[in-house]
Amino acid sequence: NAGVTQTPKFRVLKTGQSMTLLCAQDMNHEYMYWYRQDPGMGLRLIHYSVGEGTTAKGEVPDGYNVSRLKKQNFLLGLESAAPSQTSVYFCASSYAQGRTEAFFGQGTRLTVV
Amino acid sequence: DQQVKQNSPSLSVQEGRISILNCDYTNSMFDYFLWYKKYPAEGPTFLISISSIKDKNEDGRFTVFLNKSAKHLSLHIVPSQPGDSAVYFCAAPARGSNYQLIWGAGTKLIIKP
Repeated sequence: NAGVTQTPKFRVLKTGQSMTLLCAQDMNHEYMYWYRQDPGMGLRLIHYSVGEGTTAKGEVPDGYNVSRLKKQNFLLGLESAAPSQTSVYFCASSYAQGRTEAFFGQGTRLTVV
Repeated sequence: DQQVKQNSPSLSVQEGRISILNCDYTNSMFDYFLWYKKYPAEGPTFLISISSIKDKNEDGRFTVFLNKSAKHLSLHIVPSQPGDSAVYFCAAPARGSNYQLIWGAGTKLIIKP
């Protein structure tokens, strides 16, 4: 009963390094999302996808890239990490957009030093 | 400006009493609202939702009230239990932005034994 799985759970990067966060869902959902959560703020949408092979920018897309090559996977890439990207990242999926329940992964805590 | 505001960062309630969490919004175009609950080191989980055609929605111990004229909604938990200690987020899909969810900053609820 996996739901949405994110890897890794924790990561420390040096400024300028790159990394990819992987999100996998087993619910056959069309919609997938990447959010970041910072202290004292709500979740902010980075990028999202409305289906395999599609991606779109959210509220805070700068410094990130995404890919959805397979329906069940949504990858978030940081090409050149910056301290401002220190955050907790959440992946989510849903069968429709907006008014339907989204299912979240457990989060990835990323620190950029 | 499409904002969802939760002005109380934290709330402490005695076990067995009622917990009331508040959320205000600035855009009357919002017509659907969702509440999510988040435990530490986990992703948010959907709790309850309400459409603007209703002024109340109830699910067990959880009731959400919507006051459209005041642009205000509240989540009532009765009776409060220790397991309710978590961060609660209010969110609304933004019709003008492809139904992306706009999130409040969250309220940390602490249930005292």
